[in-house]
Amino acid sequence: GEDVEQSLFLSVREGDSSVINCTYTDSSSTYLYWYKQEPGAGLQLLTYIFSNMDMKQDQRLTVLLNKKDKHLSLRIADTQTGDSAIYFCAESMREYGNKLVFGAGTILRVKS
Amino acid sequence: DTGVSQDPRHKITKRGQNVTFRCDPISEHNRLYWYRQTLGQGPEFLTYFQNEAQLEKSRLLSDRFSAERPKGSFSTLEIQRTEQGDSAMYLCASSLGQNIDYGYTFGSGTRLTVV
Repeated sequence: GEDVEQSLFLSVREGDSSVINCTYTDSSSTYLYWYKQEPGAGLQLLTYIFSNMDMKQDQRLTVLLNKKDKHLSLRIADTQTGDSAIYFCAESMREYGNKLVFGAGTILRVKS
Repeated sequence: DTGVSQDPRHKITKRGQNVTFRCDPISEHNRLYWYRQTLGQGPEFLTYFQNEAQLEKSRLLSDRFSAERPKGSFSTLEIQRTEQGDSAMYLCASSLGQNIDYGYTFGSGTRLTVV
């Protein structure tokens, strides 16, 4: 089945690290993505990880994938107020034309 | 090419009216997707095209919804006899075939309000 779950809300202080967690159900997913959405805007791809990897680092972003537990996390180092947004985890469904199944999103609030 | 363009950005319509949205994908992208996002939720898949062929439709896409991509370039999404439950952000995205390493490129969306 298709189901992606995320915690709804995370609040951190500026300069701290943020960790946003996600669980997914489809073990055949090939890619997993993190998207960012600011108010009134579309979705911005932040990073992605291929399912045969367990970690990917991209500047302040670190993605960890535990395929056994179907758990994905996004760590943002040195979180800034500009990082305040909604973060969506998504898995791709290759057999369905690579459609994406999204979680409901995690609201990240960064306090200065 | 400035990315995926959607028009209009906002649409307010009365219940029962028909509306049509347009999406212009990145020019070399042969796959085009439509998603719907309601408040507090993640986007939900509606349909996708490879070139001009519509290859999959979600069960969310009732008979009142139709999408076309006549020449494999821009796409339109029409909703007939709109209902209040159709109020949502409609997002278009495009990608280059099966090369999804970089994910899709999403447009800014069309926000539909049915009153």
